[in-house]
Amino acid sequence: GESVGLHLPTLSVQEGDNSIINCAYSNSASDYFIWYKQESGKGPQFIIDIRSNMDKRQGQRVTVLLNKTVKHLSLQIAATQPGDSAVYFCAENSPNAGKSTFGDGTTLTVKP
Amino acid sequence: GAVVSQHPSRVICKSGTSVKIECRSLDFQATTMFWYRQFPKKSLMLMATSNEGSKATYEQGVEKDKFLINHASLTLSTLTVTSAHPEDSSFYICSASRVGNEKLFFGSGTQLSVL
Repeated sequence: GESVGLHLPTLSVQEGDNSIINCAYSNSASDYFIWYKQESGKGPQFIIDIRSNMDKRQGQRVTVLLNKTVKHLSLQIAATQPGDSAVYFCAENSPNAGKSTFGDGTTLTVKP
Repeated sequence: GAVVSQHPSRVICKSGTSVKIECRSLDFQATTMFWYRQFPKKSLMLMATSNEGSKATYEQGVEKDKFLINHASLTLSTLTVTSAHPEDSSFYICSASRVGNEKLFFGSGTQLSVL
């Protein structure tokens, strides 16, 4: 079956550095991808999304890159701050699936 | 932005009792809502898809008689954990989208502890 997985379960960075969180997906029919951030004890929050007709999308301090050839998605956070410490999930949607498939999550820890 | 409200945020109950969790979309209509279960340091596990005015669609392995879902209006879905047992203790989260197959807005989650 389809799966969305992350390469690394944890990532630790120094405050001010850039962070890169990776995600691999296996369903080549997926056409919409989303990154969510979940702080401890809370529900996930939308960060940024990208459709399969794009390979890059930028937001405020965040950039999502999509490589459909190798089915890889990444989230880049610029100038990482302590408030960025959280678990980050990628999710994929395929047409008519009616639901998102979530990856395992990467725990980002920002050291002051 | 879209807001999804989930209540209660935390509940402690005795084994054998039933617990109801509410999920409301405050500023938009949600024809579809989703219910998840999350274990510590784990990803979201989809339990069921809640469709307004029809029966919920449960994922494989999720007991529909154990986890009752009602989606009676476009802004409210409820999850009732019936005859709760300690193994039902978990973090339960709901989500909704404004348009089908789009980004999700999540509730704040409910931490259920069954004694």
